[in-house]
Amino acid sequence: AQTVTQSQPEMSVQEAETVTLSCTYDTSESDYYLFWYKQPPSRQMILVIRQEAYKQQNATENRFSVNFQKAAKSFSLKISDSQLGDAAMYFCAYRIYNTDKLIFGTGTRLQVFP
Amino acid sequence: ETGVTQSPTHLIKTRGQQVTLRCSSQSGHNTVSWYQQALGQGPQFIFQYYREEENGRGNFPPRFSGLQFPNYSSELNVNALELDDSALYLCASSLDPRTQYGYTFGSGTRLTVV
Repeated sequence: AQTVTQSQPEMSVQEAETVTLSCTYDTSESDYYLFWYKQPPSRQMILVIRQEAYKQQNATENRFSVNFQKAAKSFSLKISDSQLGDAAMYFCAYRIYNTDKLIFGTGTRLQVFP
Repeated sequence: ETGVTQSPTHLIKTRGQQVTLRCSSQSGHNTVSWYQQALGQGPQFIFQYYREEENGRGNFPPRFSGLQFPNYSSELNVNALELDDSALYLCASSLDPRTQYGYTFGSGTRLTVV
């Protein structure tokens, strides 16, 4: 079965500090894409960062970076210099190459304290 | 450039009724996917439409159906509503069905079935 597991239902971080959100997935495929989405109270899913499985180099987008461990099927998200606006639900997702659906985890609620 | 817009934002229906949810895709996107997000869960793939044809379907019964129009806007129809259909319904558009990029999501329609 294709599944995504986010084992941290809630995380908290102080403003300006760094936090890491965990994600593991299960697939027998070798070609796929991995994503982190942010869902604020506005409910819109916003793409934070993406990673192609064939790339060994970890993706970075400003304060957001990932630690992709393909053999371990792990895809964690690191948020540096956390800001109040980072508070949201974060969903890890993947899509097998050449298929049409995203498979999401159950999400991690991130709280940011001043 | 407009994003993905969904209407209505909230809806209350009675069990057994039918409902139609609407989505306007982002300019230039020809593919629309629909997801159901139950409370406290990650989104689940319902189906995808590409150039007015259903292009893929998740594990949802036939009473969930859809349409895509020539302007690439889309509708999700649910017949014989059940209490478990209460959820946030998200629409996502993309440049093509199996884009290597992420999807652009709308803010969803919150459906409550009573």
